[in-house]
This record gives sequence, C-alpha cells and structure tokens, in this order.
Amino acid sequence: QPVLTQPPSASASLGASVTLTCTLSNDYIHYKVDWYQQRPGEGPRFVMRVGAGGIVGSKGDDIPDRFSVLASGLIRYLTITNIQEEDEGDYHCGADYGRGSNFVSWIFGGGTKLTVL
Amino acid sequence: EVQLVQSGAEMKKPGESLNISCKGSGYKFGDYWIAWVRQMPGRGLEWMGIIHPGDSDTRYSPSFQGQVTISADRSISTAFLQWSSLRASDTAIYFCARHIPSPDNWFDPWGQGTLVTVSS
Repeated sequence: QPVLTQPPSASASLGASVTLTCTLSNDYIHYKVDWYQQRPGEGPRFVMRVGAGGIVGSKGDDIPDRFSVLASGLIRYLTITNIQEEDEGDYHCGADYGRGSNFVSWIFGGGTKLTVL
Repeated sequence: EVQLVQSGAEMKKPGESLNISCKGSGYKFGDYWIAWVRQMPGRGLEWMGIIHPGDSDTRYSPSFQGQVTISADRSISTAFLQWSSLRASDTAIYFCARHIPSPDNWFDPWGQGTLVTVSS
C-alpha cells in the first residue's frame, strides 16, 4: 500500500501564500491524492483531488479560487494564496488503493497543521 | 443541503460498550457508502471501514477488523459504529463520511466528529 508523508506543520502570514506537500512512497507516482481541510473543532471537508497531471475533477463546495493543486513526481502540492484566518487548521492528504482488486481501502498522511500568523 | 450529523461526546470506562451514530440528510441515504475514520489525539486520520446502507455490505480495514462493528439502518438514515469492550486506546475523535462513487472515490461531506474518551 502507498505511504503518504506530510510535514507536521507549516505557517504563513496573513495575505501571503503557502504550499503544502504530500509525498507518495516509491512506485506510486501515478496515484491521485485528495486534499481535506479540517478547521479547529470541525470535521474535515473535501478540497480537491490532484493527480500527476494536476487537478482531477472539480473542487469541493465553497472552496475558494485561492486554493490550487499541482504535482511533480511523487509530490502532490496544495497551494493557498492570499491566506486568510479561516484557512488555519489541519490539512490532510488521502488516497484510495486496491482498485482492480475486490477491496478498495483508503490511507491518509499524518496531516499538516497550518498556522496563520 | 447534504449533511451528516453525529451523536455527542461520550465518556466511558474500559470494558464498557458503546454505540455512536451518524445521521444523513439531504440525499438518498441508501445510495451512498458511509465510512468511519479515526483521529487519535494529535495524530492523522485512519480509515476504519465502510458500509453500504442499501444492503449493509461492510468492509473493514485489517487494523480494525474484529475491534469494532459497523452497521446501518436505512429506514432512519443512520450509520453506527459500535464497540463491545472499550479500551483506553480507543480514545479518539471518530468521523463518518459519505463516499462519492467512482470515478471520484473521495469523501464528502464529513460529520462533525464524536469525541470518545475512555478512562478509568
């Protein structure tokens, strides 16, 4: 199964930009990854999916245009521009695996805590 | 509006049983799989298992097989996560999430989470 690695923390000043990373383990370079935002005290919400070629499908409901994704090799990026206070929280990447078998499972990275300064 | 609303926080002792719930609204509950996800204190998300309320087809992560029971009652649009004998290590926030079918295959929306605290 793939392993998703995220740095534990990141910070950015109000109005600045930040790029969060999710690194896939070797041999999973073609995997798509889903980004989820989890504000303090809330459940996660779907942001968008990113594959090797960039965004896959559409963004989640009410996700602003300030959020975008890219990919390079094993890394899946989530970039937030013009950061707002409401962007503070934990960001999780996740992936499904096992397609083509009888059992699909999901795995998540450890999450990155984003602090808005 | 599609929504999942979970039952409230629980404080239990080791060895006790527990059943938490997740009620869906704003969509046809029986048509979408519902997953359960654990978040231990200060840790990332862990997928526990998934159920199709339409026919109760249930799949578990190997890490959680035999540790919990996932069920659903389509007539009341509610999924359940059950423990027969809690351990201190079950202390965590538990989320339910609706699975969006292929080709998407992601989770949206999620419930607000149920904090389960197990302590003697």
